[in-house]
Amino acid sequence: GQQLNQSPQSMFIQEGEDVSMNCTSSSIFNTWLWYKQDPGEGPVLLIALYKAGELTSNGRLTAQFGITRKDSFLNISASIPSDVGIYFCAGQLPGNQFYFGTGTSLTVIP
Amino acid sequence: DSGVTQTPKHLITATGQRVTLRCSPRSGDLSVYWYQQSLDQGLQFLIQYYNGEERAKGNILERFSAQQFPDLHSELNLSSLELGDSALYFCASSGAPGTSGTGELFFGEGSRLTVL
Repeated sequence: GQQLNQSPQSMFIQEGEDVSMNCTSSSIFNTWLWYKQDPGEGPVLLIALYKAGELTSNGRLTAQFGITRKDSFLNISASIPSDVGIYFCAGQLPGNQFYFGTGTSLTVIP
Repeated sequence: DSGVTQTPKHLITATGQRVTLRCSPRSGDLSVYWYQQSLDQGLQFLIQYYNGEERAKGNILERFSAQQFPDLHSELNLSSLELGDSALYFCASSGAPGTSGTGELFFGEGSRLTVL
């Protein structure tokens, strides 16, 4: 199956710092999605991107759909303790198939 | 609340047994996906249904099967359970082509299966 390379695998940051994570693929995707998952719960959709070059914000979160359509990044500004969790990227191919990255585990130190 | 409902939330059973997990997609969504997430692992795609028909298969074991019914709810059947099948099983849904939400996947809260 398709592989999405997500990095970094984990991050430990101080409260108030900015965070950046990204996903790359060898395939061209129609859609990029970013999710946050808290322990024992389902992933929650944070941001959806539909066009190459698109830059979309959701509060302190900003994500971009790469120009080549093979990558995407997510930035979190001024991190707070409740940002702790695992962040997943996902790409959608034509035909409605979704593929997920391996996740970035974020720890925010107060 | 994503609008995707999964039952049961927790299930404990013994090796060799069979269980059924149930999923109701968001209202109007035609596609249902099943994912498995083992401890500290990513989301492994199992299978996708669209409007009652199997659309794509991922790393689904032969001991597992699924179906989507005319009312669009789906069931994932896991049989001859092994210890390694213990995991969170997620259902997700997305909209029909041409509708808003087509490119977005919404997850339920998952069913946690423990095999003893």
